[in-house]
Amino acid sequence: AQSVAQPEDQVNVAEGNPLTVKCTYSVSGNPYLFWYVQYPNRGLQFLLKYITGDNLVKGSYGFEAEFNKSQTSFHLKKPSALVSDSALYFCAVRARAGKSTFGDGTTLTVKP
Amino acid sequence: DTEVTQTPKHLVMGMTNKKSLKCEQHMGHRAMYWYKQKAKKPPELMFVYSYEKLSINESVPSRFSPECPNSSLLNLHLHALQPEDSALYLCASSPQWAPMNTEAFFGQGTRLTVV
Repeated sequence: AQSVAQPEDQVNVAEGNPLTVKCTYSVSGNPYLFWYVQYPNRGLQFLLKYITGDNLVKGSYGFEAEFNKSQTSFHLKKPSALVSDSALYFCAVRARAGKSTFGDGTTLTVKP
Repeated sequence: DTEVTQTPKHLVMGMTNKKSLKCEQHMGHRAMYWYKQKAKKPPELMFVYSYEKLSINESVPSRFSPECPNSSLLNLHLHALQPEDSALYLCASSPQWAPMNTEAFFGQGTRLTVV
């Protein structure tokens, strides 16, 4: 079985500060890991993915994520948060049978 | 064109109505998906079509009936729905169902309310 955990329902940061949204996973075999963002009443937008290779993955809108195999984590980061980054963030893993398993989501609020 | 287009954006229907949700993509993707999403919850996979054939049905009630007329279109036919079926219905596509390293492209969803 595969699973994803996002331990924080809510993350609050001040604009200009670094942000981290946490994700841990459990799979058998090599994981394919994804981050998506969802703005209110919209669909999910792909941010970045880890397939293989460099553990630091760079994605859209200045986001990056670090794959840590020993800690089974794939945390999303951004050096300087913007108010417009406020949204719902989902981590997803895709391993067995090609199905994606999503985490429960983390609501990021960036305050001016 | 890198979009997945869903229509309508909003739909209110009675429990005895029949309606359809439509999804269209012109990216040449051969895998298309229907998801159901409740507020502030992750999307729940309903159906997967691969090369216009139904590959996965996640034990969805028969009041939801998917259809893939061609490689660009995906429909979800609705009949005799219940109020608990009210949700955001998301369509997505990806180049193929496998390999597993491809991300999905999501439409903006149809907000369905069953009254």
